[in-house]
Amino acid sequence: AQTVTQSQPEMSVQEAETVTLSCTYDTSESDYYLFWYKQPPSRQMILVIRQEAYKQQNATENRFSVNFQKAAKSFSLKISDSQLGDAAMYFCALYSGGGADGLTFGKGTHLIIQP
Amino acid sequence: DTGVSQDPRHKITKRGQNVTFRCDPISEHNRLYWYRQTLGQGPEFLTYFQNEAQLEKSRLLSDRFSAERPKGSFSTLEIQRTEQGDSAMYLCASSPPDRFDKLFFGSGTQLSVL
Repeated sequence: AQTVTQSQPEMSVQEAETVTLSCTYDTSESDYYLFWYKQPPSRQMILVIRQEAYKQQNATENRFSVNFQKAAKSFSLKISDSQLGDAAMYFCALYSGGGADGLTFGKGTHLIIQP
Repeated sequence: DTGVSQDPRHKITKRGQNVTFRCDPISEHNRLYWYRQTLGQGPEFLTYFQNEAQLEKSRLLSDRFSAERPKGSFSTLEIQRTEQGDSAMYLCASSPPDRFDKLFFGSGTQLSVL
């Protein structure tokens, strides 16, 4: 079975500062994908960034970047220049491919942006 | 592209009643997923369709739960004899052919069982 662990139930950051959200995972598969999803109060899960396990280069999307440490099974999300609109629940998720069992999500980190 | 649509947004029911939710995926997406999310938790996988075929079912999906996707387009999730433990948000997601890694989620149906 695969697992995803987010050890930070809540994080707070000042507007315009940088914050890092942590995620560790476990899977026996060698081919997998990792994701960070954002869930604002509107409840819709929005994909923030994705990383293919076979790629060594860390993914980046504008102000969002990841630090993917495959050997350590770690996948953290860095948000630079935090904005008020970044406030939401953030979920780390793992997909091992083949359609089986869909995505496995962590319990989430509630990100608060202090103005 | 109108996104994944779920109906209703909220449902309040009494214990023992049956409820049905609907999900309309993005039109060209052949894969459709159902997830359940309880308070303070991440979504948990329930079941998955490729076209009209239901290919995977989680052990979380008890025999009171049934999902259908009769024509490979919209899907319904029915819960029979609801229990208070069924209270949760039910999320639907869809993905394009051969892009299982690109899921698009709907806004969910919030179920409250009294």
